[in-house]
Amino acid sequence: GDSVTQMEGPVTLSEEAFLTINCTYTATGYPSLFWYVQYPGEGLQLLLKATKADDKGSNKGFEATYRKETTSFHLEKGSVQVSDSAVYFCALSDRSGNKLVFGAGTILRVKS
Amino acid sequence: NAGVMQNPRHLVRRRGQEARLRCSPMKGHSHVYWYRQLPEEGLKFMVYLQKENIIDESGMPKERFSAEFPKEGPSILRIQQVVRGDSAAYFCASSPSESYEQYFGPGTRLTVT
Repeated sequence: GDSVTQMEGPVTLSEEAFLTINCTYTATGYPSLFWYVQYPGEGLQLLLKATKADDKGSNKGFEATYRKETTSFHLEKGSVQVSDSAVYFCALSDRSGNKLVFGAGTILRVKS
Repeated sequence: NAGVMQNPRHLVRRRGQEARLRCSPMKGHSHVYWYRQLPEEGLKFMVYLQKENIIDESGMPKERFSAEFPKEGPSILRIQQVVRGDSAAYFCASSPSESYEQYFGPGTRLTVT
């Protein structure tokens, strides 16, 4: 079945450091890909998405490119802030488009 | 436009009791999804409903769990005879149509003592 694998955390960075969180997927066909962010005690918020190969999703300084050849959707940010501390989830929509399959999540901690 | 609403936000139940979790989708959304997040894990799909219909319940445990989305009122996820292993965060999401972006609620954190 479909699956998503993310790099394990926690990832601890200093403010203004460069961030990469790796995400790879296994799926039938060409799913849409998403990054969600979960702040402490809150629900998930959609951070960015890409619906087809070579699409780049971007939002709030975060970017991710849909790479079909490597089945990857790595999340990057050039300069993180303390307020970016959260759990980040990579996800794909399954073939029906009605079900999201999530990775295990990566905790990001940014120190000032 | 209010977002997806879930209540209660926190629910404590003793083993053997029933838990009822409610989800009100965003205005104009007629598709509801339930996910469960166990400690230290990602979210797992449970069920997808449209008004008065269960479309996909492939992620629902076979026993004790049920879900509904009536013509009027919120969607309800019901867990009968709860056990400690049911302790988790339960998230609801909604969308205006199928195969569309899902918007998540804040979740209900269920603790079974």
